[in-house]
Amino acid sequence: GAVVSQHPSWVICKSGTSVKIECRSLDFQATTMFWYRQFPKQSLMLMATSNEGSKATYEQGVEKDKFLINHASLTLSTLTVTSAHPEDSSFYICSAKSAGAKEFFGPGTRLTVL
Amino acid sequence: GENVEQHPSTLSVQEGDSAVIKCTYSDSASNYFPWYKQELGKGPQLIIDIRSNVGEKKDQRIAVTLNKTAKHFSLHITETQPEDSAVYFCAAPSGGGGNKLTFGTGTQLKVEL
Repeated sequence: GAVVSQHPSWVICKSGTSVKIECRSLDFQATTMFWYRQFPKQSLMLMATSNEGSKATYEQGVEKDKFLINHASLTLSTLTVTSAHPEDSSFYICSAKSAGAKEFFGPGTRLTVL
Repeated sequence: GENVEQHPSTLSVQEGDSAVIKCTYSDSASNYFPWYKQELGKGPQLIIDIRSNVGEKKDQRIAVTLNKTAKHFSLHITETQPEDSAVYFCAAPSGGGGNKLTFGTGTQLKVEL
């Protein structure tokens, strides 16, 4: 149980385009989903917290107009990187949890912006 | 907010030996401490966790100990195997009543044959 999927697993895009990443909880309803960014050999950096049906809460320094998050259902959250630039290239990981439960991570999405 | 420190940053052991990774936290109200294992190119996997009402929890070759007074918790892996090689992260609640976790900086464990 507690499986979280992400799609795509990797994506390459041109500078200036937008990219959408999906995060799904496959066998449980996630009241909260989180989006992280991870640079090579570094820890997980929380970008935003997403609660179903409400606006995401962004961490300090994360541009909400740059990283659009939608949590439309209890099993799906999306992260859209708008007008991507090479510095947005990173490993993006989502996680999901239900109320009071443990946090489970997706497999990650490798974004490369050319 | 919570501050989590993790040591060592790298750890190399011989197959069959034990490995210990330590974390300290700052918020005495923290009550939940998970450990995640991350293999290269993959998302973190929850391997064990402990709540503050117990001092130790074990699952086969993996154990976690918690010292609330000293505000530190440790991951113990016994009889290490090459497939244990990965980056391990500890975490603690970020505080403020929210759901967020604060992660340690990670430990690269290498199990050598």
